[in-house]
Parts: sequence; structure tokens; C-alpha cells
Amino acid sequence: EAGVAQSPRYKIIEKRQSVAFWCNPISGHATLYWYQQILGQGPKLLIQFQNNGVVDDSQLPKDRFSAERLKGVDSTLKIQPAKLEDSAVYLCASSPRRGAADTQYFGPGTRLTVL
Amino acid sequence: AQKITQTQPGMFVQEKEAVTLDCTYDTSDPSYGLFWYKQPSSGEMIFLIYQGSYDQQNATEGRYSLNFQKARKSANLVISASQLGDSAMYFCAMREPNSNSGYALNFGKGTSLLVTP
Repeated sequence: EAGVAQSPRYKIIEKRQSVAFWCNPISGHATLYWYQQILGQGPKLLIQFQNNGVVDDSQLPKDRFSAERLKGVDSTLKIQPAKLEDSAVYLCASSPRRGAADTQYFGPGTRLTVL
Repeated sequence: AQKITQTQPGMFVQEKEAVTLDCTYDTSDPSYGLFWYKQPSSGEMIFLIYQGSYDQQNATEGRYSLNFQKARKSANLVISASQLGDSAMYFCAMREPNSNSGYALNFGKGTSLLVTP
């Protein structure tokens, strides 16, 4: 079974530029998550989708971040305009459902550097 | 308030020895799940083990076991017979219902484990 795919793996941009990340979850997984992991910290949830609907985006900086999952499969996360503090690894994860016991499986992440 | 506390920023263990990584959690919800993930230098988060709040027995997965002490709100990871490939960051995480009826995963700050020959 294929795991969670993410691209690109690395991205370097200058502040105020825009950037987009792509995620393809494990086949059949209804729930998709985007996390931000700043160096030296644990991942922090940005947004959670159930199929193509948003379940939780309370920690997403909506003035600059946006995310969509149009057909309930792939998802994109966009930052526009980027700030220096957005430098982090962006992790995508998926799970079959969103119950307490459902394990989240993570992709390899996208390492973003904002100069 | 911090939901997951990992008090050991870094740990050393000799190859073939056992090591315990500490994790305490804070929740008032009776239904929750506890997870441990490994993150090698490559960056991917690898699922290791899961413990449900209602599970009577401690979870085990190969060389990994979870020492679950519910009254103390403790969920320590035990790695037996450490291998050089176990060197990585280890994250404890908790899943509980959030206000939006999802199950957000809250991570601790992690423990860096170095296995020496």
C-alpha cells in the first residue's frame, strides 16, 4: 500500500512570495491533516479535512494560509505572502476516519525556508 | 496549557540496552488515544504504538511497549534491545475530542534518543 505522498520535498523562497504544497493521502483515507513543525518543536495542527469538508482550521493563520481538498482526495496548502516565521516542515497526514483510535500516517514533509 | 509533556530533551543509551522515554498528559476527557511516533533525521513521522484510554493492558509492538499508568496520566515508551537505527526524535501525542468534533492530535516537544555502540 502506498503511503502519503507530498511534494515538493524542499522549497526556498523569499519573504512576501507565495508557495504551495501538495499532498496525496493513503487511498481510502477520509481524513486529511496539515501540520506545521517548527525546528525543535512537535508538529502543530493547521487544518483537518473530513472528505472535502473542513473539520478544524482554528489554528490556521487565515490571513495568509489557505488549504483545499476539492474532490476529497488530494489537498493543497498555500501560503501567500510568506513570512520569515513560516520557515518550517509542513507535514501532511491521513487516517481512515477521525476517531480517537485512528492512527494518522504521515508523509515525508516539505521543508520550507523563507529568506 | 501544555497537553503533552516530555521532560527529557535528550537521552543516551547503549546498544542492546533498554530505554524508557517519559510522557505525561493532561485531559479531562475519559475517551482519548495516546500515540508514539519516531522521527529520524529524514523528517518522516513513523507511527510506533497506540494506547487507548479504555485499554486494560499495556500496548506492545515488537521491541516497543507502552507503560500506561492512567491514574498518574503517564504513557512512557519502553524500547527494548536498542539498535543504532533507533537513534531519532521520539514524540508522544494525544488524541482527544476537540470543540469541532474532530480528534486533534497534540504532540509533545519530543525526546532526542542517541544509541551508542
